[in-house]
Amino acid sequence: GDSVTQMEGPVTLSEEAFLTINCTYTATGYPSLFWYVQYPGEGLQLLLKATKADDKGSNKGFEATYRKETTSFHLEKGSVQVSDSAVYFCALSDRGFGNEKLTFGTGTRLTIIP
Amino acid sequence: DGGITQSPKYLFRKEGQNVTLSCEQNLNHDAMYWYRQDPGQGLRLIYYSQIVNDFQKGDIAEGYSVSREKKESFPLTVTSAQKNPTAFYLCASTTTGVGEQYFGPGTRLTVT
Repeated sequence: GDSVTQMEGPVTLSEEAFLTINCTYTATGYPSLFWYVQYPGEGLQLLLKATKADDKGSNKGFEATYRKETTSFHLEKGSVQVSDSAVYFCALSDRGFGNEKLTFGTGTRLTIIP
Repeated sequence: DGGITQSPKYLFRKEGQNVTLSCEQNLNHDAMYWYRQDPGQGLRLIYYSQIVNDFQKGDIAEGYSVSREKKESFPLTVTSAQKNPTAFYLCASTTTGVGEQYFGPGTRLTVT
């Protein structure tokens, strides 16, 4: 079945550091890939998405590129801020089988220190 | 504004009681979902519904029940059969064919 593997956290960085959170996936169809962000005590917010190979999703300075050859969708940001502290989830939707379910990674907690 | 509402934000119940969590959306989305989140873990799918009057079990449906009588509403009942009900519950919805889901703010249920 489908699965998503994220780098384990927690990740702690200083403000203005470069961020990478690794995400790899296994899917039998043609998945769309997503990054969600969750702030403390809140629901998940869609951060960015990519629907086919070589697509780059971007939002709020975050980027991720859909790499089919390495089955990866790593999240990057060039200069993090304290307000980026949150839990980040990688997810896939394998619509090749006619369903609309999302498969999530376990999440990576990011803390940015001033 | 369009969105997904969940109520209440915090809910406390005694063991042995059933409790119903509300989820409403005004996004005209076809599909709705319930997830459970435990501390330090990812999201686990409880139930989902892709059309009114139809729903399917997710990965951890035991001890839960749902109904989908209206397109806008997808309430979740946590029954006394659920062995460990204390968790953060998230509702989501989507339009068929787009993939991404949109989430409500969540309900934190504590059972003692």
